[in-house]
Amino acid sequence: ETVLTQSPGTLSLSPGERATLSCRASQSVTSNYLAWYQQKPGQAPRVLIYGASTRATGIPDRFSGSGSGTDFTLTISRLEPEDFAVYYCQQYGSSPRTFGQGTKVEIK
Amino acid sequence: QVQLVESGGDLVKPGGSLRLSCAASGFTFSDPYMSWIRQAPGKGLEWVSYISGGGSAIYYADSVRGRFTISRDNAKNTLYLQMNSLRAEDTAVYYCARGHYDLRLWGQGTLVTVSS
Repeated sequence: ETVLTQSPGTLSLSPGERATLSCRASQSVTSNYLAWYQQKPGQAPRVLIYGASTRATGIPDRFSGSGSGTDFTLTISRLEPEDFAVYYCQQYGSSPRTFGQGTKVEIK
Repeated sequence: QVQLVESGGDLVKPGGSLRLSCAASGFTFSDPYMSWIRQAPGKGLEWVSYISGGGSAIYYADSVRGRFTISRDNAKNTLYLQMNSLRAEDTAVYYCARGHYDLRLWGQGTLVTVSS
């Protein structure tokens, strides 16, 4: 099983600041099949990035994904008020599909 | 309108059974794999199961294998999750989602509570 470890657990930032979220895999993620999701309280997750770096339809360009192999990053270039949420990475290169434990981006 | 709507969540006693449904609309339901993902209260996401479009390929997480059964009725555009021998640790919001790679369409979730 590919274990995904996200860091930090909580990121305290102000609107307008840059957010950098990390996702490290216990083994190489096949074909960089890694996605990032945003989840707000009481809502289902929403995909932001798939294939490590491709933005999903309708996702603003302030969200970007990078990385390969075992190290991946989600960057939010300038935080908007609606970006404060929990973010999860997920790998789909092998079974079982696994999620990271999440990073909460909170208002400082 | 492209959407998924789950139903069937309830309060059930340990050892009990429940069947969840996920009604799909706005796309050709028989084509894609479909998945169930769950989220325990205040916790992260866990992939529970997925099924291919025709139903021939199925995956279960170790935590539910032998207790849960995923199925689909393509004529009714509906995905199911039959849950037997429920345990307290199965308490969660259960989401259905389209696909088995990255998940680009999710339902709103249905809450299953296992408690005596």
